[in-house]
Amino acid sequence: AQRVTQPEKLLSVFKGAPVELKCNYSYSGSPELFWYVQYSRQRLQLLLRHISRESIKGFTADLNKGETSFHLKKPFAQEEDSAMYYCAFRSNDYKLSFGAGTTVTVRA
Amino acid sequence: GAGVSQSPRYKVAKRGQDVALRCDPISGHVSLFWYQQALGQGPEFLTYFQNEAQLDKSGLPSDRFFAERPEGSVSTLKIQRTQQEDSAVYLCASSQRALIYSSEQYFGPGTRLTVT
Repeated sequence: AQRVTQPEKLLSVFKGAPVELKCNYSYSGSPELFWYVQYSRQRLQLLLRHISRESIKGFTADLNKGETSFHLKKPFAQEEDSAMYYCAFRSNDYKLSFGAGTTVTVRA
Repeated sequence: GAGVSQSPRYKVAKRGQDVALRCDPISGHVSLFWYQQALGQGPEFLTYFQNEAQLDKSGLPSDRFFAERPEGSVSTLKIQRTQQEDSAVYLCASSQRALIYSSEQYFGPGTRLTVT
């Protein structure tokens, strides 16, 4: 069963514009949510996790249990933010479930 | 320090051939995971090792898939009698601690398998 939904396959924004990547999950308990990023020709790496509540590279994500969402936001996109972003979820069975990913292109 | 490495990076196999994919985790990492990533999709869990013990293999798609980690470090994912639907990127990840501690997973570069 699909646990993580990323509705946008592609997202294009201009440099300096805000960017928001949507992620919704289906789980009634207390999940762990993550955002992973894969830059061109690089390996998948952790960007941030909700329990850390920290901002990485200007990105933030807030877990909204009421809306079962974990959207990723950045107020001013930079060209180096162009990458593939995956939302991931872990329930108490410890396995990571990934969304299908969103490709972000930041245009100059 | 060295991250997770995988070999080969690319593998082309004819349908029906057996393949073996290798993963070298970060030294000392307890947990090791294998994922399968089909084109246009996110990674999907295949199996999990804690040291040499395979604690979960629920994601392996068929009995043609077999994974081992005999000494608790290097792991091999073997696919027998490959089929076209096995074409994907196979990712390995390791983490420092056992799963219950929820430590970060570090991913390898992946092996892209193409079955012709």
